[in-house]
Amino acid sequence: DSGVTQTPKHLITATGQRVTLRCSPRSGDLSVYWYQQSLDQGLQFLIQYYNGEERAKGNILERFSAQQFPDLHSELNLSSLELGDSALYFCASSVRGGTSGNEQFFGPGTRLTVL
Amino acid sequence: TQLLEQSPQFLSIQEGENLTVYCNSSSVFSSLQWYRQEPGEGPVLLVTVVTGGEVKKLKRLTFQFGDARKDSSLHITAAQPGDTGLYLCAGFRVADTGKLIFGQGTTLQVKP
Repeated sequence: DSGVTQTPKHLITATGQRVTLRCSPRSGDLSVYWYQQSLDQGLQFLIQYYNGEERAKGNILERFSAQQFPDLHSELNLSSLELGDSALYFCASSVRGGTSGNEQFFGPGTRLTVL
Repeated sequence: TQLLEQSPQFLSIQEGENLTVYCNSSSVFSSLQWYRQEPGEGPVLLVTVVTGGEVKKLKRLTFQFGDARKDSSLHITAAQPGDTGLYLCAGFRVADTGKLIFGQGTTLQVKP
């Protein structure tokens, strides 16, 4: 158990819908990262927040957005869902920002299925 | 185009055999990490290498960072069925230190 929690574990929805994924980081960690893992693309970095502010952006679609709240939990919002958005979404946390040597601890993931 | 190319993608071996997984890039990395991921779970960090030429050992696993910091390898000696899983290399590029880049992964199956 990494100490990072993600809810829900599974999510099944239809195209065009909007969903929210939630992540609680390890106690004391200020940074939260979101990743998407699909069979064809592998594990892709989406976005990072540090202490409530966006720190780094990866291959995140405009239909996706995220935020980190004062209690440091984070939410990833996915809207206008398409079949290709079906994937595993992971949240990770670390004590400091996303720099070299700063270990990230991954949650168990949310499996999103878009029908 | 993957910034980190991992090979092989799939490996099926018998218990007791040795194996090596490679992670290559044309970019220079400030550090490289190796993760192991079990089905239904998130990746778990095995090791971080930060210095060119660095070698780290974790029981039967040996990790090496290339001299030019563009590649890394994972060698497993006398593989066991418990080593079965998805192995991922990942790193922070010198040119873009804020983003952790992952390779496609190597699925290892060790048969008893």
